[in-house]
Amino acid sequence: QVQLQESGPGLVKPSETLSLTCAVSGGSISTDNWWSWVRQPSGKGLEWIGEIYHSGSTNYNPSLKSRVTISVDKSKDQFSLKLTSVTAADTAVYYCAGDGRGGYNLGYWGQGTLVTVSP
Amino acid sequence: EIELTQSPGTLSLSPGERAILSCRASQSVISSYLAWYQQKPGQAPRLLIFGTSNRATGIPDRFSGSRSGTDFTLTITRLEPEDFAVYYCQQYSRPPLYTFGQGTKLEIK
Repeated sequence: QVQLQESGPGLVKPSETLSLTCAVSGGSISTDNWWSWVRQPSGKGLEWIGEIYHSGSTNYNPSLKSRVTISVDKSKDQFSLKLTSVTAADTAVYYCAGDGRGGYNLGYWGQGTLVTVSP
Repeated sequence: EIELTQSPGTLSLSPGERAILSCRASQSVISSYLAWYQQKPGQAPRLLIFGTSNRATGIPDRFSGSRSGTDFTLTITRLEPEDFAVYYCQQYSRPPLYTFGQGTKLEIK
């Protein structure tokens, strides 16, 4: 059973870069899956940030595309998120996720990590 | 971009009752591209239904999904105490983009 675990700083200053990593265990990141980042501000809904394939191909949410970079490290079975020029509006729980059976859905989720943007 | 509108915002029911949650898409959605999730406080979302009507691994058969045109429905028969949570529908469209509905909170009456 694939398991995902997010890691990274819980506090980022405004205008700086948010960096998170997701470790994939119980399976290889090089399987036929896309790996995503999703965020959720407190008390609000889910927002998909983007996804990456083990080949390095990426797709991003157009609303965040100018600030987002997702990368993969196959040797470590990890993928990462960088979000630049953060503001308080980027404060949220960030989840990494992987697509599930049949594709086009997110069948695997990490537990999530809260990132707060504050001076 | 396809928008998903869920209704009602909050649904108050008692254990043992039937819940019907709706998700309306602003444009046509391919059946394979529609999924439902359950989220409990402090937890990550959990995939319930994929491809409109297929239950994910380990999901009880009291959960079912269906569609009529651009209207998608999640039905939960015989509510159990653990079913009270927030439910999200999700669609996938091209260019590759996942979007979610705003959620329906299912609360105990």
